[in-house]
Amino acid sequence: GQQVQQSPASLVLQEGENAELQCNFSSTATQLQWFYQSPGGSLVSLLSNPSGTKHTGRLTSTTVTKERRSSLHISSSQTTDSGTYLCAIDESGSFNKLTFGAGTRLAVCP
Amino acid sequence: GALVYQYPRRTICKSGTSMRMECQAVGFQATSVAWYRQSPQKTFELIALSTVNSAIKYEQNFTQEKFPISHPNLSFSSMTVLNAYLEDRGLYLCGARADRADNQAPLFGEGTRLSVL
Repeated sequence: GQQVQQSPASLVLQEGENAELQCNFSSTATQLQWFYQSPGGSLVSLLSNPSGTKHTGRLTSTTVTKERRSSLHISSSQTTDSGTYLCAIDESGSFNKLTFGAGTRLAVCP
Repeated sequence: GALVYQYPRRTICKSGTSMRMECQAVGFQATSVAWYRQSPQKTFELIALSTVNSAIKYEQNFTQEKFPISHPNLSFSSMTVLNAYLEDRGLYLCGARADRADNQAPLFGEGTRLSVL
């Protein structure tokens, strides 16, 4: 089945530094979504980016479909960015069956 | 605005007992509801997908006999964990989608965290 690998597993930054998170997947992803999981567990959609580059606020995602990889860049990190960032893909194109990576745990220190 | 409400947020049950969790779509009608579980030290796994007017589809390793789901209308879904044991611990998330548009990610609730004693 589909596999999603994320790196690094964890990352510690000083406030203001940038973060680069990676997601690699084993087969074609028709849909790709980056999520943020708060320390309490709730999941929030950040960006949907099956291909190309997308921006929202301090987040930039670049997905190279034929290379089966996506990145999430967080600029000027803040302590409130701390949490786990998950990459999820769906082969069917419908977002009905997401396969999640293990996530990158980010800690931003003041 | 649209949100997904899950209840209860946390629950503790004795080993071998059952517990029911609920998922409510507020501000939109959920044409599909997916239940996921995040076990300790693991990522999210899809348990089952429930789509209006279609049979509930369970993923490998999850069965209706263990995780019966009810999706009676476009706003509400419930799932029961029958005969819960330690391996059933984790965070159960409900993700609901508003329509059949393929480019819309599901909206997730805050989850029900299940502990088993």
